[in-house]
Amino acid sequence: EPEVTQTPSHQVTQMGQEVILRCVPISNHLYFYWYRQILGQKVEFLVSFYNNEISEKSEIFDDQFSVERPDGSNFTLKIRSTKLEDSAMYFCASRPLLSGGTEAFFGQGTRLTVV
Amino acid sequence: DAKTTQPPSMDCAEGRAANLPCNHSTISGNEYVYWYRQIHSQGPQYIIHGLKNNETNEMASLIITEDRKSSTLILPHATLRDTAVYYCIVRVEGAGNQFYFGTGTSLTVIP
Repeated sequence: EPEVTQTPSHQVTQMGQEVILRCVPISNHLYFYWYRQILGQKVEFLVSFYNNEISEKSEIFDDQFSVERPDGSNFTLKIRSTKLEDSAMYFCASRPLLSGGTEAFFGQGTRLTVV
Repeated sequence: DAKTTQPPSMDCAEGRAANLPCNHSTISGNEYVYWYRQIHSQGPQYIIHGLKNNETNEMASLIITEDRKSSTLILPHATLRDTAVYYCIVRVEGAGNQFYFGTGTSLTVIP
């Protein structure tokens, strides 16, 4: 069964460093998302991406964040200068383009720890 | 903003049906009802979704009231592996429209 793949599963970085979280969405899916979940809190929407551009973003997704689809298979989230409060699970999701309601499929996440 | 209301927690005996309610009294005609679950800190897992009609798949059944103001997710024979947080989400189908995760219902299946 096709699945969304995220790497690495766990990343530790020093405050102020740049990190890139990587995702391989399901082939043929056209909508891509990043969500995050701080320990013990809700799953929060960060950004959605369609047709090579951001279609929606939340207040959390400030200038420190960026997304890119560098080739036909990868979807990345970059945090330019990490802060302690960026420590969280980051989930990538993808969704096909079909008429009617379609579900999003989530990866298993990357646990980012900023020290 | 949350468009759904769910009880914060529920228990269910193993092997019995788990019925998880969701209130979405302000749902619009073009909004779908989705159910996801999250086991521990894993990625949210899709369960089922529907618009007006009741739906069933290999995981669960979704019962939507006629006025669409509430729904119930039914896990017919709960197992210990069904212990998770269950999220009821309403969303409009459209480009990039996000899935908003509220606080969900923490279901504990008891042996």
